Amino acid sequence: SQTIHQWPATLVQPVGSPLSLECTVEGTSNPNLYWYRQAAGRGLQLLFYSVGIGQISSEVPQNLSASRPQDRQFILSSKKLLLSDSGFYLCAWSPTGLGTDTQYFGPGTRLTVL
Amino acid sequence: KQEVTQIPAALSVPEGENLVLNCSFTDSAIYNLQWFRQDPGKGLTSLLLIQSSQREQTSGRLNASLDKSSGRSTLYIAASQPGDSATYLCAVMRGSYIPTFGRGTSLIVHP
Repeated sequence: SQTIHQWPATLVQPVGSPLSLECTVEGTSNPNLYWYRQAAGRGLQLLFYSVGIGQISSEVPQNLSASRPQDRQFILSSKKLLLSDSGFYLCAWSPTGLGTDTQYFGPGTRLTVL
Repeated sequence: KQEVTQIPAALSVPEGENLVLNCSFTDSAIYNLQWFRQDPGKGLTSLLLIQSSQREQTSGRLNASLDKSSGRSTLYIAASQPGDSATYLCAVMRGSYIPTFGRGTSLIVHP
C-alpha cells in the first residue's frame, strides 16, 4: 500500500530564516506530487505541483520554491521566511497520468513564523 | 478563474440527522469533483471522487451528486454520528493537475 510522509510535523522559525520541508511517498512510482498551504481563515491553496523528477510548476508567485530531487521526494524551501508564510503545509500525491485521479494527502506541517 | 463556494460554512446538528452539504463552482469545464474530510490539525482524507461524466457516487452513508451544467455538487450524509464531526471540503479539477478547493463546511454532530 502507498504511504506519504511529511516532516517535521511542527516548526517555529524566526522571520528571515530559511525553510526546508520534506515529503516522501512510498509504494508507488512516478506519482504526481503537490504542495499546498492552508492559512487560517483561508482555503487550501495550491503552491506547486510536479509530474516528474525536476519538473516543477508554480501556481502562486512568492518567496517559496520546490524541488523534486528523486522520484518520490518533494521538498519545499525558502531562503528567507516572511510572517505571511505561517500556515499548515500539506503534501499530496496522485497516481501518474493526467492528475485527475484521487489525491492522497500527508499529515501536514504546522509552520509558525515569528 | 474557477471559484468554489461551500455552504453552509458551519453546521451543528444532533446525532441521527440526515445532512446536505453544498458546493458550487463557477466554471463547468471540470475534469472531476472530489469531497474530502479534514479532522483538526490533520491532513485531508478523500471521501468520494466524481468524474465529470458521472452524476453521483456512494460510499456507505455518504452520497455525492454532481450537476455540472449548474455548477453544483451536494454531499449527503445519512444518519449522522458524532464521529462525522470534521471539516468537509470539495475540490474541482479544472485543468489536468490544478484543483481548486472550497473553504469547507465545519460540521459538529453532538450526541
